[in-house]
Parts: sequence; C-alpha cells; structure tokens
Amino acid sequence: GENVEQHPSTLSVQEGDSAVIKCTYSDSASNYFPWYKQELGKRPQLIIDIRSNVGEKKDQRIAVTLNKTAKHFSLHITETQPEDSAVYFCAARDSGGSNYKLTFGKGTLLTVNP
Amino acid sequence: NAGVTQTPKFRILKIGQSMTLQCTQDMNHNYMYWYRQDPGMGLKLIYYSVGAGITDKGEVPNGYNVSRSTTEDFPLRLELAAPSQTSVYFCASSYSSVYYEQYFGPGTRLTVT
Repeated sequence: GENVEQHPSTLSVQEGDSAVIKCTYSDSASNYFPWYKQELGKRPQLIIDIRSNVGEKKDQRIAVTLNKTAKHFSLHITETQPEDSAVYFCAARDSGGSNYKLTFGKGTLLTVNP
Repeated sequence: NAGVTQTPKFRILKIGQSMTLQCTQDMNHNYMYWYRQDPGMGLKLIYYSVGAGITDKGEVPNGYNVSRSTTEDFPLRLELAAPSQTSVYFCASSYSSVYYEQYFGPGTRLTVT
C-alpha cells in the first residue's frame, strides 16, 4: 500500500515569514494529494489539493507543488499569520482498487510567533 | 446541511465495556470512513464503506466492527474496550471515487481506563 512521509514534524516561524512542509509518497500511481489543517481540538479541514496532472496550485497565501518524478509534494505558506498555527497533514490517494482511500502523513505542528 | 455529525463528543469507558460511536452525514455521500488519531500521530484508517451494505477493513481494524445499513449512517462498534483504544475517533465521508474530498466530523474523544 501507499506510504507517506512528512517533514518536519514541528516548524516554528516568525509572523510574516514563509513556511514549507514536505511530503514524499511511495506509490507512483497515486494521483491526488490533499493538505489538511487541524486546529487544536478541531476536525481536519481541507485547505488545498492537487492532482497529478498539475505541477503547482495556488490559493491566496498557500500553494502546493508536486514533483511526480521524485514522488514528493510540498505545502508553501507565505506571509504567515498567527492564525496559521495548527497541525498540517498531507495525504496521498491510494491507486488501483483502493482508490477511494487516503494515506496520511504524521503531521507537522506549525507555530507562527507574533 | 449539517455535514458529518458524530456522537458522543466525549466518553470514558472502563476496560471490557462496549459502546457504539455514531456517525451520520446528510450530503448523500457514498463513501464513509472511520479514523483514529493518537497524540502526535496522523490519521489511521480503521474501516471504510463504499456504499450501503458494503464495508471493509482499513489499516487498524482489530477490536472494532462497523455496519452500513443506510447511506447516511456508519456506526463504529467497540467490543471489550482496551486502554489501547484510547484515542480521538473521526468519521469522514466523500461523494465518490471521482470527487475525492473527504469531509470530517467533529470527532469523539474516547478514554478507556
């Protein structure tokens, strides 16, 4: 099955700086890569996703890039704000007969210091 | 739409007790999932369902059972609770294998002592 590795596990930045979180996946046939944000005590919520036919996608201050050859994808947050502080999870969609399942990374705790 | 709802929000069980975690979605989604989230860890898939009457095991199914008699409901049953089942449980749903986005419920925090 799919295996997703996520780094770093914790990330601390100053307000206004950029933050980058990286994930690698094992199944070269995976074709969908979402990112979820989970605030303390809350449910995970989708913030951005990318499909394998696209190399980059942006939504205001967040962007995701995908390198299919290297099998890694990254989340980029620019001009970070204190409300960006949360745990961020990457995931990859399983391929083949299990293509309705997501495999999640272990998460990155992002702290944005005012 | 209420989206995905879960009950209860919190529960404390004694070792060996049983309980059912309820999950309901009102988005007419075909796919439903149960995850557990342990501290400092990601989400691990317990069971999933691709439609009413169809369920299958995920990564960590031992100690759990599910059923899917309707499109809306996907209860998770814990039999003979153990301390290792202390976790936060999330139910999620998605529309189809084409529209992949998974929507999560608010979670149930379960403690087994």
